[in-house]
Amino acid sequence: AQSVTQLGSHVSVSEGALVLLRCNYSSSVPPYLFWYVQYPNQGLQLLLKYTSAATLVKGINGFEAEFKKSETSFHLTKPSAHMSDAAEYFCAVRGNQGGKLIFGQGTELSVKP
Amino acid sequence: DSGVTQTPKHLITATGQRVTLRCSPRSGDLSVYWYQQSLDQGLQFLIQYYNGEERAKGNILERFSAQQFPDLHSELNLSSLELGDSALYFCASSLRGQPIETQYFGPGTRLLVL
Repeated sequence: AQSVTQLGSHVSVSEGALVLLRCNYSSSVPPYLFWYVQYPNQGLQLLLKYTSAATLVKGINGFEAEFKKSETSFHLTKPSAHMSDAAEYFCAVRGNQGGKLIFGQGTELSVKP
Repeated sequence: DSGVTQTPKHLITATGQRVTLRCSPRSGDLSVYWYQQSLDQGLQFLIQYYNGEERAKGNILERFSAQQFPDLHSELNLSSLELGDSALYFCASSLRGQPIETQYFGPGTRLLVL
Protein backbone atom coordinates (compact mmCIF):
# COMPACT_ATOMS: atom_id res chain seq x y z
CA ALA A 1 0.00 0.00 0.00
CA GLN A 2 1.14 3.52 -0.69
CA SER A 3 0.64 6.65 1.33
CA VAL A 4 1.86 10.21 1.65
CA THR A 5 2.27 12.35 4.75
CA GLN A 6 2.65 16.09 4.55
CA LEU A 7 4.08 17.57 7.72
CA GLY A 8 2.34 20.79 8.63
CA SER A 9 -1.11 21.69 7.40
CA HIS A 10 -0.17 25.34 7.39
CA VAL A 11 3.18 27.03 6.71
CA SER A 12 3.74 30.77 6.88
CA VAL A 13 6.83 32.52 5.50
CA SER A 14 7.86 36.09 4.79
CA GLU A 15 8.25 37.32 1.25
CA GLY A 16 11.79 36.54 0.11
CA ALA A 17 12.28 33.75 2.64
CA LEU A 18 12.96 30.10 1.92
CA VAL A 19 9.93 27.91 1.33
CA LEU A 20 10.15 24.32 2.61
CA LEU A 21 7.14 22.03 2.40
CA ARG A 22 7.66 18.52 3.71
CA CYS A 23 6.44 15.29 2.21
CA ASN A 24 7.19 11.72 3.26
CA TYR A 25 5.97 8.73 1.34
CA SER A 26 5.46 5.05 1.89
CA SER A 27 5.62 2.69 -1.05
CA SER A 28 6.49 -0.97 -1.52
CA VAL A 29 7.51 -0.32 -5.11
CA PRO A 30 9.67 2.43 -6.61
CA PRO A 31 7.37 5.41 -6.51
CA TYR A 32 6.46 8.16 -8.89
CA LEU A 33 6.05 11.34 -6.85
CA PHE A 34 4.28 14.56 -7.71
CA TRP A 35 3.76 18.02 -6.28
CA TYR A 36 0.62 19.89 -7.29
CA VAL A 37 -0.48 23.42 -6.40
CA GLN A 38 -4.07 24.55 -5.98
CA TYR A 39 -4.89 28.26 -6.08
CA PRO A 40 -8.21 29.37 -4.58
CA ASN A 41 -11.22 28.25 -6.60
CA GLN A 42 -9.04 26.52 -9.18
CA GLY A 43 -8.03 23.02 -10.13
CA LEU A 44 -4.69 21.39 -9.41
CA GLN A 45 -1.64 22.35 -11.43
CA LEU A 46 1.46 20.18 -11.65
CA LEU A 47 4.57 21.79 -10.18
CA LEU A 48 6.99 18.92 -10.74
CA LYS A 49 7.29 15.15 -10.76
CA TYR A 50 9.88 12.50 -9.89
CA THR A 51 10.11 9.55 -12.24
CA SER A 52 13.52 8.13 -11.21
CA ALA A 53 15.47 9.97 -13.92
CA ALA A 54 17.12 12.38 -11.45
CA THR A 55 16.83 12.82 -7.71
CA LEU A 56 16.73 16.62 -7.88
CA VAL A 57 13.72 17.72 -9.85
CA LYS A 58 13.14 21.25 -11.03
CA GLY A 59 9.65 22.49 -11.61
CA ILE A 60 7.75 25.57 -12.59
CA ASN A 61 7.80 28.92 -10.78
CA GLY A 62 11.24 28.31 -9.26
CA PHE A 63 10.24 25.27 -7.20
CA GLU A 64 12.34 22.14 -6.87
CA ALA A 65 12.21 18.91 -4.90
CA GLU A 66 14.76 16.29 -3.94
CA PHE A 67 13.97 12.59 -3.79
CA LYS A 68 15.73 10.94 -0.85
CA LYS A 69 15.12 7.22 -0.78
CA SER A 70 16.91 6.69 2.55
CA GLU A 71 14.59 9.21 4.20
CA THR A 72 11.50 8.35 2.07
CA SER A 73 11.11 12.06 1.52
CA PHE A 74 10.30 14.37 -1.36
CA HIS A 75 10.36 17.87 0.15
CA LEU A 76 9.47 20.91 -1.95
CA THR A 77 11.62 24.03 -1.77
CA LYS A 78 11.86 27.48 -3.26
CA PRO A 79 14.73 29.83 -2.37
CA SER A 80 12.68 33.03 -2.23
CA ALA A 81 8.94 33.20 -1.64
CA HIS A 82 6.69 35.52 -3.62
CA MET A 83 3.25 36.71 -2.61
CA SER A 84 1.87 34.85 -5.62
CA ASP A 85 3.07 31.53 -4.12
CA ALA A 86 0.29 31.63 -1.53
CA ALA A 87 -1.79 28.53 -2.27
CA GLU A 88 -2.36 24.96 -1.14
CA TYR A 89 0.26 22.40 -2.08
CA PHE A 90 -0.31 18.68 -2.42
CA CYS A 91 2.22 15.89 -2.54
CA ALA A 92 1.07 12.70 -4.28
CA VAL A 93 2.43 9.21 -4.94
CA ARG A 94 1.67 6.74 -7.67
CA GLY A 95 2.93 3.17 -7.97
CA ASN A 96 3.59 0.90 -10.90
CA GLN A 97 0.13 -0.54 -10.94
CA GLY A 98 -2.87 1.58 -11.70
CA GLY A 99 -2.98 5.23 -12.50
CA LYS A 100 -4.51 6.69 -9.39
CA LEU A 101 -2.80 9.42 -7.43
CA ILE A 102 -2.71 9.12 -3.65
CA PHE A 103 -2.60 12.59 -2.15
CA GLY A 104 -1.37 13.95 1.13
CA GLN A 105 -3.63 16.17 3.18
CA GLY A 106 -2.17 19.32 1.71
CA THR A 107 -0.16 22.23 3.11
CA GLU A 108 -1.50 25.74 2.92
CA LEU A 109 1.29 28.23 2.29
CA SER A 110 0.85 31.82 3.41
CA VAL A 111 3.32 34.53 2.39
CA LYS A 112 3.60 37.65 4.53
CA PRO A 113 4.73 40.95 3.03
CA ASP B 1 -5.73 26.35 -18.62
CA SER B 2 -5.17 22.59 -18.45
CA GLY B 3 -7.40 21.80 -21.43
CA VAL B 4 -9.74 19.70 -19.26
CA THR B 5 -13.25 21.10 -19.02
CA GLN B 6 -15.89 20.33 -16.44
CA THR B 7 -19.52 21.32 -16.27
CA PRO B 8 -21.31 22.61 -14.38
CA LYS B 9 -19.01 24.74 -12.28
CA HIS B 10 -21.43 24.85 -9.36
CA LEU B 11 -24.38 22.65 -8.45
CA ILE B 12 -26.83 23.06 -5.59
CA THR B 13 -29.34 20.32 -4.97
CA ALA B 14 -31.32 18.62 -2.23
CA THR B 15 -30.83 15.37 -0.38
CA GLY B 16 -32.16 12.36 -2.22
CA GLN B 17 -31.66 13.89 -5.64
CA ARG B 18 -29.50 12.71 -8.54
CA VAL B 19 -26.95 14.78 -10.46
CA THR B 20 -24.61 14.27 -13.39
CA LEU B 21 -21.20 15.87 -13.65
CA ARG B 22 -19.54 16.08 -17.03
CA CYS B 23 -15.88 16.09 -18.03
CA SER B 24 -14.13 16.56 -21.36
CA PRO B 25 -10.49 15.45 -21.34
CA ARG B 26 -7.61 17.20 -23.07
CA SER B 27 -7.48 16.62 -26.78
CA GLY B 28 -5.78 13.28 -27.42
CA ASP B 29 -5.99 11.98 -23.86
CA LEU B 30 -7.60 8.56 -23.55
CA SER B 31 -7.72 8.19 -19.78
CA VAL B 32 -10.01 10.03 -17.39
CA TYR B 33 -9.91 10.06 -13.60
CA TRP B 34 -12.43 11.32 -11.07
CA TYR B 35 -11.46 12.65 -7.64
CA GLN B 36 -13.46 14.00 -4.72
CA GLN B 37 -12.10 16.77 -2.51
CA SER B 38 -13.76 17.35 0.84
CA LEU B 39 -12.66 18.99 4.08
CA ASP B 40 -12.74 15.79 6.10
CA GLN B 41 -11.46 13.28 3.53
CA GLY B 42 -9.10 15.42 1.50
CA LEU B 43 -8.47 14.43 -2.13
CA GLN B 44 -9.70 10.91 -2.81
CA PHE B 45 -9.53 8.92 -6.03
CA LEU B 46 -12.89 7.64 -7.19
CA ILE B 47 -12.52 5.91 -10.54
CA GLN B 48 -10.44 5.73 -13.72
CA TYR B 49 -11.45 5.03 -17.31
CA TYR B 50 -9.29 4.29 -20.29
CA ASN B 51 -10.73 4.48 -23.80
CA GLY B 52 -14.22 3.71 -22.59
CA GLU B 53 -13.33 0.90 -20.19
CA GLU B 54 -13.15 1.06 -16.41
CA ARG B 55 -9.52 0.59 -15.37
CA ALA B 56 -9.36 1.23 -11.63
CA LYS B 57 -11.75 1.87 -8.80
CA GLY B 58 -11.13 3.68 -5.56
CA ASN B 59 -13.36 4.61 -2.67
CA ILE B 60 -16.41 5.17 -4.83
CA LEU B 61 -19.78 4.69 -3.18
CA GLU B 62 -22.33 2.34 -4.72
CA ARG B 63 -24.63 5.34 -5.15
CA PHE B 64 -22.05 6.80 -7.54
CA SER B 65 -21.38 5.58 -11.05
CA ALA B 66 -19.41 6.78 -14.01
CA GLN B 67 -18.84 6.07 -17.66
CA GLN B 68 -16.67 7.19 -20.53
CA PHE B 69 -18.30 7.63 -23.90
CA PRO B 70 -16.92 6.90 -27.41
CA ASP B 71 -16.00 10.57 -27.84
CA LEU B 72 -13.96 10.14 -24.60
CA HIS B 73 -15.94 12.55 -22.46
CA SER B 74 -16.94 11.16 -19.09
CA GLU B 75 -19.85 11.56 -16.75
CA LEU B 76 -20.04 10.97 -13.01
CA ASN B 77 -23.52 10.20 -11.74
CA LEU B 78 -24.30 10.76 -8.07
CA SER B 79 -27.64 9.49 -6.78
CA SER B 80 -29.59 9.44 -3.50
CA LEU B 81 -27.48 12.40 -2.49
CA GLU B 82 -26.62 12.97 1.15
CA LEU B 83 -25.33 16.04 2.94
CA GLY B 84 -21.92 14.41 3.17
CA ASP B 85 -21.62 14.25 -0.62
CA SER B 86 -21.07 18.00 -0.69
CA ALA B 87 -17.58 18.38 -2.09
CA LEU B 88 -15.47 19.52 -4.99
CA TYR B 89 -15.33 16.90 -7.74
CA PHE B 90 -12.35 16.97 -10.07
CA CYS B 91 -11.82 15.27 -13.34
CA ALA B 92 -8.30 14.70 -14.64
CA SER B 93 -6.97 13.23 -17.85
CA SER B 94 -3.77 11.71 -19.14
CA LEU B 95 -2.62 10.26 -22.43
CA ARG B 96 -2.74 6.50 -21.81
CA GLY B 97 -3.32 6.16 -18.08
CA GLN B 98 0.24 5.07 -17.33
CA PRO B 99 1.69 5.75 -13.87
CA ILE B 100 4.53 7.91 -15.21
CA GLU B 101 2.20 10.31 -17.00
CA THR B 102 1.09 13.67 -15.70
CA GLN B 103 -2.56 13.97 -14.85
CA TYR B 104 -4.08 17.28 -15.94
CA PHE B 105 -6.91 18.50 -13.74
CA GLY B 106 -10.04 20.38 -14.65
CA PRO B 107 -11.36 23.32 -12.61
CA GLY B 108 -13.79 21.11 -10.72
CA THR B 109 -17.50 21.02 -10.00
CA ARG B 110 -18.53 22.27 -6.59
CA LEU B 111 -21.52 20.29 -5.33
CA LEU B 112 -23.61 21.51 -2.43
CA VAL B 113 -26.30 19.20 -1.08
CA LEU B 114 -28.87 20.92 1.13
